[in-house]
Amino acid sequence: KQEVTQIPAALSVPEGENLVLNCSFTDSAIYNLQWFRQDPGKGLTSLLLIQSSQREQTSGRLNASLDKSSGRSTLYIAASQPGDSATYLCAVSGSRLTFGEGTQLTVNP
Amino acid sequence: DAGVIQSPRHEVTEMGQEVTLRCKPISGHNSLFWYRQTMMRGLELLIYFNNNVPIDDSGMPEDRFSAKMPNASFSTLKIQPSEPRDSAVYFCASSSPQTRFNQPQHFGDGTRLSIL
Repeated sequence: KQEVTQIPAALSVPEGENLVLNCSFTDSAIYNLQWFRQDPGKGLTSLLLIQSSQREQTSGRLNASLDKSSGRSTLYIAASQPGDSATYLCAVSGSRLTFGEGTQLTVNP
Repeated sequence: DAGVIQSPRHEVTEMGQEVTLRCKPISGHNSLFWYRQTMMRGLELLIYFNNNVPIDDSGMPEDRFSAKMPNASFSTLKIQPSEPRDSAVYFCASSSPQTRFNQPQHFGDGTRLSIL
């Protein structure tokens, strides 16, 4: 059974800092990995999707990497802003779609 | 684009009652997903449809849960009879035609369900 772990569970940083969120998974037989953000009281917003054949994807200040063999992905956020405050979840697709429990990010002005 | 529309936004009912959650996907999206989110278990995929056909319902917790998609613009998730442990936020999401979850999903704002 696939297990997805996100570390840290919570992170608080000052505005402008670059930061890294981590996601690890136990079964490397995945088709792709996705990063989402969730704002309080809202559904998830898809940020980046990395196919298993890819190593990274970039969108604006976000960069996600994937190392399938070691079961790890990172989400890099450059020059963080208060508007980046949210919970970030990763999800891996194998036979099913499995989510991590998320990292709650707070960016302080 | 109206986005994925879920109703109701909040539902409070007594155990044993039937609960029906509704979802209207984004027009043109052929894949639809139902999720449940709780503090204890996180976000779980319950069932998903491609072209109105259920593909994988292995996440549906019990026979008390059922989902239908009678047409491309409407889906329901029913719980009958409801129990307090069904209390959660239920999300619906839709995407372009997908295989192996390879398309970005668009989520609704969810239905917060409380079973007393």
